[in-house]
Amino acid sequence: SYVLTQPPSVSVAPGQTARITCGGNNIGTKSVHWYQQKPGQAPVLVICDDNDRPSGIPERFSGSNSGNTATLTISRVEAGDEADYYCQVWDSGNDHVVFGGGTKLTVL
Amino acid sequence: EMQLLQSGGGLAQPGGSLRLSCEVSNVTSRTYAMMSWIRQAPGKGLEWVSDISSYGENTYYADSVKGRFTISRDNSKNTLYLQMNRLRVEDTAIFYCARLAYRGNYYVAYWGQGALVTVSS
Repeated sequence: SYVLTQPPSVSVAPGQTARITCGGNNIGTKSVHWYQQKPGQAPVLVICDDNDRPSGIPERFSGSNSGNTATLTISRVEAGDEADYYCQVWDSGNDHVVFGGGTKLTVL
Repeated sequence: EMQLLQSGGGLAQPGGSLRLSCEVSNVTSRTYAMMSWIRQAPGKGLEWVSDISSYGENTYYADSVKGRFTISRDNSKNTLYLQMNRLRVEDTAIFYCARLAYRGNYYVAYWGQGALVTVSS
């Protein structure tokens, strides 16, 4: 099964830029989706298909994907961005979603 | 907006059974979507459990639940089910139902609110 690797934690000061990576073998050939999950809530899609923002997601959220790494970038970080973030791809060989282990974003 | 409303869950003893349901409301598409169950153990990440194709002709399971869990759907009721048998302590988790969409590849477009399943003696 396809494996996605995320750093367990990322810390950033308010107003700075946070970058959360998602590593996978040739992940640049796949479409990567990102979810934000706050405590006690279901995940919310923040980036679809590498770099497409769903309606209602601030422009501060963007994504990129190349080679073996996909990246979620959050510009001008706010306290409300503090959450767990998960990357996801589709394992076409086994027909199911695959999630990274998740990254806890802490706003200092 | 489309909503997924879950029911079921609760406390079960090891070896016991539970059934989860997930009703999709305000369906705007005339086509039925692939749907999944995804779980999250306490303090852990998201883990895929099972998939079912649009008309239920194909089902897929994680190795950890294969032979114990059964996914099914009733499109006439817009409802997804997960029958969980021979439950284990390690099945304790919040279970989410998910409606998938396709953009580049499949992703979760809608999530249920989650149902807590606790397996304990």
